[in-house]
Amino acid sequence: DAKTTQPPSMDCAEGRAANLPCNHSTISGNEYVYWYRQIHSQGPQYIIHGLKNNETNEMASLIITEDRKSSTLILPHATLRDTAVYYCIVRDQGAQKLVFGQGTRLTINP
Amino acid sequence: GAVVSQHPSWVICKSGTSVKIECRSLDFQATTMFWYRQFPKQSLMLMATSNEGSKATYEQGVEKDKFLINHASLTLSTLTVTSAHPEDSSFYICSVGNGDKPQHFGDGTRLSIL
Repeated sequence: DAKTTQPPSMDCAEGRAANLPCNHSTISGNEYVYWYRQIHSQGPQYIIHGLKNNETNEMASLIITEDRKSSTLILPHATLRDTAVYYCIVRDQGAQKLVFGQGTRLTINP
Repeated sequence: GAVVSQHPSWVICKSGTSVKIECRSLDFQATTMFWYRQFPKQSLMLMATSNEGSKATYEQGVEKDKFLINHASLTLSTLTVTSAHPEDSSFYICSVGNGDKPQHFGDGTRLSIL
């Protein structure tokens, strides 16, 4: 079973920041938080991951709370192409399997 | 990052036939690949872990005799859906593992069984 909880859907205006929350209250010390997204009829695309510290790359920023029980993925300037299902996944450092939950369907509106 | 090629991207075939799907890791040697299945409006479900040179590890409820996995080289894993029936129609997706690094996914194969 997935160890994360995400809202089923969200809307965001084009050009604004999209903030996608994820709860992972049972996360353990060795587990990383990964974010993937899936655009319709394609395979999932890796976005970002982190353990404790906040992370930023060319796609997004990941903010992890100090207790690590939740995190937020931030798309700083959302575009229409960011419309997708976003999956937050917790994965043990030593494991390779990814267990997908239901994700958040993010719709970017013009 | 890793580039994963999956082929074919879609296939339509008659009930009772077998269908083979290929997953290739294009820029590094992958000892582990994963096969997922996704039904409409649902999330990805892991079917099996494909290990190079050894038998695949199947998730609970996945029939290993129905979904044959072969990982004979470090860059290729194949999934064969044997004696396919309409209920096997789905979106099949592979991914490539690279130790602690993020997995990368193929673009999926849409299988339709008539």
